[in-house]
Amino acid sequence: AQSVTQLGSHVSVSEGALVLLRCNYSSSVPPYLFWYVQYPNQGLQLLLKYTTGATLVKGINGFEAEFKKSETSFHLTKPSAHMSDAAEYFCAVTPTGTASKLTFGTGTRLQVTL
Amino acid sequence: ETGVTQSPTHLIKTRGQQVTLRCSSQSGHNTVSWYQQALGQGPQFIFQYYREEENGRGNFPPRFSGLQFPNYSSELNVNALELDDSALYLCASSRTSASYEQYFGPGTRLTVT
Repeated sequence: AQSVTQLGSHVSVSEGALVLLRCNYSSSVPPYLFWYVQYPNQGLQLLLKYTTGATLVKGINGFEAEFKKSETSFHLTKPSAHMSDAAEYFCAVTPTGTASKLTFGTGTRLQVTL
Repeated sequence: ETGVTQSPTHLIKTRGQQVTLRCSSQSGHNTVSWYQQALGQGPQFIFQYYREEENGRGNFPPRFSGLQFPNYSSELNVNALELDDSALYLCASSRTSASYEQYFGPGTRLTVT
């Protein structure tokens, strides 16, 4: 079984500040990890994914995340927040080999202020 | 390339009624997954269809059922609606059942009164 914990249901940052959204996972087998973004009244858009290989993965819109097996974490970062980054962010996990059956966290709402 | 589309956008039903939600997968994709997203929660996996067969199911009762058609579009049916079924229902398509990338539609907002 697998699960995802996202610490902080709401995160507020100033425009230009570092964005850090936290995700910890639990999986009985090596996981594949994902970050999705959801804008109001829209579906989910894939930001980035970790499957195998390099543990630091880069995604769209300047976001990146690092897979740390020892810490069972996959935190999402962006060096400089933009107003357009305001949205809901979901971390998701799936066991290797069942890529389409995602288990999501409860989400973190990112607010960006001037 | 047409993305994932869902219909209707919004729906209001009464407790005990039945509802059918529809999803058209992205061109070239043969796998469709359905998720339920309750207010303030992350999406929860309902089931997946691959080449017209159910290919995995989450922790949802049998009154949640689905179909996939030869063109890979899909339906989600919910019988005997309950108030707790009120949620955003998301459909996602992927190239195959082993694909890591899923493409989500905008969702159908179901309200049960």
